[in-house]
Amino acid sequence: GENVEQHPSTLSVQEGDSAVIKCTYSDSASNYFPWYKQELGKGPQLIIDIRSNVGEKKDQRIAVTLNKTAKHFSLHITETQPEDSAVYFCAATPYSSASKIIFGSGTRLSIRP
Amino acid sequence: GAVVSQHPSRVICKSGTSVKIECRSLDFQATTMFWYRQFPKQSLMLMATSNEGSKATYEQGVEKDKFLINHASLTLSTLTVTSAHPEDSSFYICSALNSNEQYFGPGTRLTVT
Repeated sequence: GENVEQHPSTLSVQEGDSAVIKCTYSDSASNYFPWYKQELGKGPQLIIDIRSNVGEKKDQRIAVTLNKTAKHFSLHITETQPEDSAVYFCAATPYSSASKIIFGSGTRLSIRP
Repeated sequence: GAVVSQHPSRVICKSGTSVKIECRSLDFQATTMFWYRQFPKQSLMLMATSNEGSKATYEQGVEKDKFLINHASLTLSTLTVTSAHPEDSSFYICSALNSNEQYFGPGTRLTVT
């Protein structure tokens, strides 16, 4: 089955700097890659996603890139702000829909003021 | 739109008792809902897929007789933890599938004493 690895497990960046979180997946059939932000004591919230027919997607300060050949995908957050501090999860699914999502292990992002 | 609620948000129960957690899609109908379990500082692990009007599909290693799932309507799925033990203490999160995307509830923190 699908296996998603995520690095780093913790990340601390200065406010205003960029943060990059990287993930790899194992199942070449995976074609949907969502990213979630989870704040303490809350459920995950979808922040951006990318499908396999696209190499890059951007939404304001957040961007995601996908390299299908290498089975890598990354989350980029620019101009980080204190409210970006949270745990971020990458995920992958081998189905055409968002069913049976396999999550990465999570990255705890801290923004230093 | 696409709001998912869970009730209760927190529950404390005594060992040996049962506790029911509700997951509701508030502004859409969901034929498919998912139940996840999350231990502290860990990722979300899928427990089961709940399908309206049929039996739930459990992931390997999840005891179906211990974690009873009922998806009796298009807006409600329930998870009942039977004969709870301290090791069942965890954060339980549901999600509902809407237009090929999963929308997550806020989670329920279960503590078994």
